Amino acid sequence: QKEVEQNSGPLSVPEGAIASLNCTYSDRVSQSFFWYRQYSGKSPELIMSIYSNGDKEDGRFTAQLNKASQYVSLLIRDSQPSDSATYLCAERSNFGNEKLTFGTGTRLTIIP
Amino acid sequence: DVKVTQSSRYLVKRTGEKVFLECVQDMDHENMFWYRQDPGLGLRLIYFSYDVKMKEKGDIPEGYSVSREKKERFSLILESASTNQTSMYLCASKGGDYTGELFFGEGSRLTVL
Repeated sequence: QKEVEQNSGPLSVPEGAIASLNCTYSDRVSQSFFWYRQYSGKSPELIMSIYSNGDKEDGRFTAQLNKASQYVSLLIRDSQPSDSATYLCAERSNFGNEKLTFGTGTRLTIIP
Repeated sequence: DVKVTQSSRYLVKRTGEKVFLECVQDMDHENMFWYRQDPGLGLRLIYFSYDVKMKEKGDIPEGYSVSREKKERFSLILESASTNQTSMYLCASKGGDYTGELFFGEGSRLTVL
């Protein structure tokens, strides 16, 4: 069974610092990777997707993918208290398969 | 905005009862999903559907069934609820594009006594 693993945390980061969230996956044919953010008591929402090796930047967020090492990471620059949430990593094997497999999530707290 | 509506936010049922969880989406999405979310276990896929009357088992289908008679509606059924089915249930929908964006409902917290 495919697995997506994340450090459950909690991870505490001072406001303004860089938060680094990591995820590893077991399925070598995984093609697409996603980061979802889930605020306490709310549903997950997509914040980043990445399909190719390397970095993808969107505002304060950077997703990094290394398929050879089977890991994907999310960097949050200039962390804000509003970034405090659980971050879920997800993978999809190929574009024809709509099924996403999620990790257990990392709880991030930004300390003012 | 995509809206995914789950019929009940909180339910309390007794062991052995039949439970229906309803989900409706308003974006004409082909794909719909039922996940359950438990502390330390993350989101686990129960069933998904890629078209009307079509369904596929996810990772933990045991004890559950689903129904999709109309495109906008996807129902999760617990034929005989058990205490280990106490959980948060999340419905999601997704269009047929290549993105991985799932749109989630607000969740239904089920407690089985």
